[in-house]
Amino acid sequence: GIQVEQSPPDLILQEGANSTLRCNFSDSVNNLQWFHQNPWGQLINLFYIPSGTKQNGRLSATTVATERYSLLYISSSQTTDSGVYFCAVGYSTLTFGKGTMLLVSP
Amino acid sequence: KAGVTQTPRYLIKTRGQQVTLSCSPISGHRSVSWYQQTPGQGLQFLFEYFSETQRNKGNFPGRFSGRQFSNSRSEMNVSTLELGDSALYLCASSPERGSTDTQYFGPGTRLTVL
Repeated sequence: GIQVEQSPPDLILQEGANSTLRCNFSDSVNNLQWFHQNPWGQLINLFYIPSGTKQNGRLSATTVATERYSLLYISSSQTTDSGVYFCAVGYSTLTFGKGTMLLVSP
Repeated sequence: KAGVTQTPRYLIKTRGQQVTLSCSPISGHRSVSWYQQTPGQGLQFLFEYFSETQRNKGNFPGRFSGRQFSNSRSEMNVSTLELGDSALYLCASSPERGSTDTQYFGPGTRLTVL
C-alpha cells in the first residue's frame, strides 16, 4: 500500500515563529488532506489539497503531486496551534502519516 | 449542521469482555469509516461502510466487526478484548463514498482495557 511519511516528527516553536511541515507519499494520489489533532483527540480538517496551493488565515498548504510531497505552512504561530498535524491520502479509507507534534510556547 | 457524534466518549473494560461503540454521522452523509489510534501504530483504518454495506476492511482480526443502519448510523464491536485494544477509536463521515470532499471526524471513544 501507499506509504506516507511526515517530517519533522517533533517541533518546538516560540509564539510568533513560522514553520513548515512536510508530507511525502510513495505513489501518486488524487486526494491529500491535512488535519490538526487537538490535545483532546479531535481531528480537525485543515485542507483538502490534492494539488496546488490553498490558504486559510495563517495556514497555507501546497501539494506538488508530480513530486509526491505536500507542505503545510504555519505563520505567526500561536499557542493554540499546538497539537499533532497529520497528512492523509485516500478517500473514505485514509492512510495517515505518523504526524508532526507541534508545541508552541508563549 | 451537527457534527459527527460518538458514544460513549470514554470506556473502561477488562480483558475478555466485548464492547460496542456508536457513531452518528453528519446528517445527509452516507459513508462512515472507523479508525483506531494507538501510540505505537498511529492512525489505522478499520472499516468503511456505505449504504449499510461494508466496502473496505483494514488489517484487523475478526474480533473487530461493525455494521451500518439504514439511517447511516454505525456501530463497531470488539469481542474478547485484549490489552492491545486500548486505543482512541475515531469515526469519520463523508457525503458519498470516494467523495472528493474531506472526511469529518467525531471526537472519538477512548477505550481502556484492563
